[in-house]
Amino acid sequence: QQQVKQSPQSLIVQKGGISIINCAYENTAFDYFPWYQQFPGKGPALLIAIRPDVSEKKEGRFTISFNKSAKQFSLHIMDSQPGDSATYFCAASISGYKLSFGAGTTVTVRA
Amino acid sequence: DAGVIQSPRHEVTEMGQEVTLRCKPISGHDYLFWYRQTMMRGLELLIYFNNNVPIDDSGMPEDRFSAKMPNASFSTLKIQPSEPRDSAVYFCASRQGPETQYFGPGTRLLVL
Repeated sequence: QQQVKQSPQSLIVQKGGISIINCAYENTAFDYFPWYQQFPGKGPALLIAIRPDVSEKKEGRFTISFNKSAKQFSLHIMDSQPGDSATYFCAASISGYKLSFGAGTTVTVRA
Repeated sequence: DAGVIQSPRHEVTEMGQEVTLRCKPISGHDYLFWYRQTMMRGLELLIYFNNNVPIDDSGMPEDRFSAKMPNASFSTLKIQPSEPRDSAVYFCASRQGPETQYFGPGTRLLVL
């Protein structure tokens, strides 16, 4: 069974807009929540990660929001650029070891 | 560093043939992971090693799949015999300690 549920499956955003991807989990033992970015023909690459002791983490145009009580976390891509067009995966693990991935969200940024 | 290296990048084979995928992890990394990616099932962890020892192979789909890590710089994933439903992209990833996993470019396998 999928331990991390991700939505939407795909989204289209205009250049300069905000992309929002949501994930939910059940296992309260999860304590590490990374986001991976994957371009066609490439392997996933770590984008940003958060631990549940903080509610938000920002790196450049990418922000993770974390809601421990709701067991949800989300990725916000601000000022979306065509180069951000990729598939994004959320994941969760216990102490950073065995990662459980969401199903992925394909983001298309239109110029 | 060259990153995680996988070979071959593409493999086309016929049903029933043996397939061997290869991975060279990043030097110094003590964890190695094999994943399979398909449209239907997404990214699935097949097996992972710590210091060359298999730790968790619960994701290996069936006995036709086997993985080895004879030394710290080399691992193989073997499928024997291969079936069309094994068609997927297989990724190898490595890590030092917890957290950031570095993925290779993947091997795209097509079984006819």
